[in-house]
Amino acid sequence: RKEVEQDPGPFNVPEGATVAFNCTYSNSASQSFFWYRQDCRKEPKLLMSVYSSGNEDGRFTAQLNRASQYISLLIRDSKLSDSATYLCAGSSNTGKLIFGQGTTLQVKP
Amino acid sequence: NAGVMQNPRHLVRRRGQEARLRCSPMKGHSHVYWYRQLPEEGLKFMVYLQKENIIDESGMPKERFSAEFPKEGPSILRIQQVVRGDSAAYFCASSPTGQYEQFFGPGTRLTVL
Repeated sequence: RKEVEQDPGPFNVPEGATVAFNCTYSNSASQSFFWYRQDCRKEPKLLMSVYSSGNEDGRFTAQLNRASQYISLLIRDSKLSDSATYLCAGSSNTGKLIFGQGTTLQVKP
Repeated sequence: NAGVMQNPRHLVRRRGQEARLRCSPMKGHSHVYWYRQLPEEGLKFMVYLQKENIIDESGMPKERFSAEFPKEGPSILRIQQVVRGDSAAYFCASSPTGQYEQFFGPGTRLTVL
């Protein structure tokens, strides 16, 4: 089993839709959790940290479920500009990030 | 506050040459991480350094690759005797502490001919 796993997609959704991504993790990648966004294989940009209590930033909501070892990202009211690859990452006890393969989102007009 | 700086942005080397990739962390950040992204693959951790110390090098290939983060100056990722399989995007990230968010530089795209 991979340390961090994501459904690669692609997810094709219309503008305005709500879309959710899940990501599962193993014990070796379970200190802290993050969602990054990567456009056209440019540098990953931090989207959100993921806290146990869940956190929201505008149209984006992140959740952590330690019992089931998964994190999720919910995007409401999708925009064309949300089209990108979304990477989930867990950190090890040394602080290195272990990334999933990424989930591709394509928002259509 | 300038972000993470990497140079060069693009590097072309012939097989057998050496590649040196530089990374200057964000101001106030003393933790540097190197990641590699091969074509059509995900980001893979290589090495984690603090000033003058290697903290975790579990992702570094055993041969030809080395990294340093001297007291003064940028972090350097060095690849000796490059091979075609080293062609990839190499990203550096920095963090103020070891378990905080990491911020990525624009990457160096290495092409080995």
